[in-house]
Amino acid sequence: RKEVEQDPGPFNVPEGATVAFNCTYSNSASQSFFWYRQDCRKEPKLLMSVYSSGNEDGRFTAQLNRASQYISLLIRDSKLSDSATYLCAVSPFGNEKLTFGTGTRLTIIP
Amino acid sequence: GAGVSQSPSNKVTEKGKDVELRCDPISGHTALYWYRQSLGQGLEFLIYFQGNSAPDKSGLPSDRFSAERTGGSVSTLTIQRTQQEDSAVYLCASSPRMIVAKNIQYFGAGTRLSVL
Repeated sequence: RKEVEQDPGPFNVPEGATVAFNCTYSNSASQSFFWYRQDCRKEPKLLMSVYSSGNEDGRFTAQLNRASQYISLLIRDSKLSDSATYLCAVSPFGNEKLTFGTGTRLTIIP
Repeated sequence: GAGVSQSPSNKVTEKGKDVELRCDPISGHTALYWYRQSLGQGLEFLIYFQGNSAPDKSGLPSDRFSAERTGGSVSTLTIQRTQQEDSAVYLCASSPRMIVAKNIQYFGAGTRLSVL
């Protein structure tokens, strides 16, 4: 089993819709969780850190479920510019290397 | 406010040659990481430097790979006797490591390595 798993998609979603995807992790000692966004042939850029209490940034909401060992990302009122690959990343406490999922490809359709 | 800088942006080499990839982290960031991303794959951790501590080399795929970080700043990743399976985008990231539990890494644009 991979340490971090994501549904690769693609998710093709009409503009204005709400889309959500999950990322599961296998190491229960994981302490830090992130969502990165990666555009085609570009570097990953941090979208959100994921906190235990969940966090929201505009149209984006991230949640952490420790019991079931997954994190989620919800995008509301999707825009064309949201089209990208979304990578989740996890690191265990005291070890700062990030383990990434393979990413979920999202395409917003006009 | 320069970000993480990597050079070259693209590198084409012949199988068996050695290559050096350079990373200049964000000024003041104490932690530096190398990852690689193969086509259609997620990022794969290679090596991590933190200050004067011994680097975490646990992700290096073979002894053909090595990395240095001189003076706590610039890092060089060296791949000796390159193989075709080394073709990938090599990404460098740095982190201020101010709050370990919120380790936010900032990535450079990467070096796209093609081994012919």
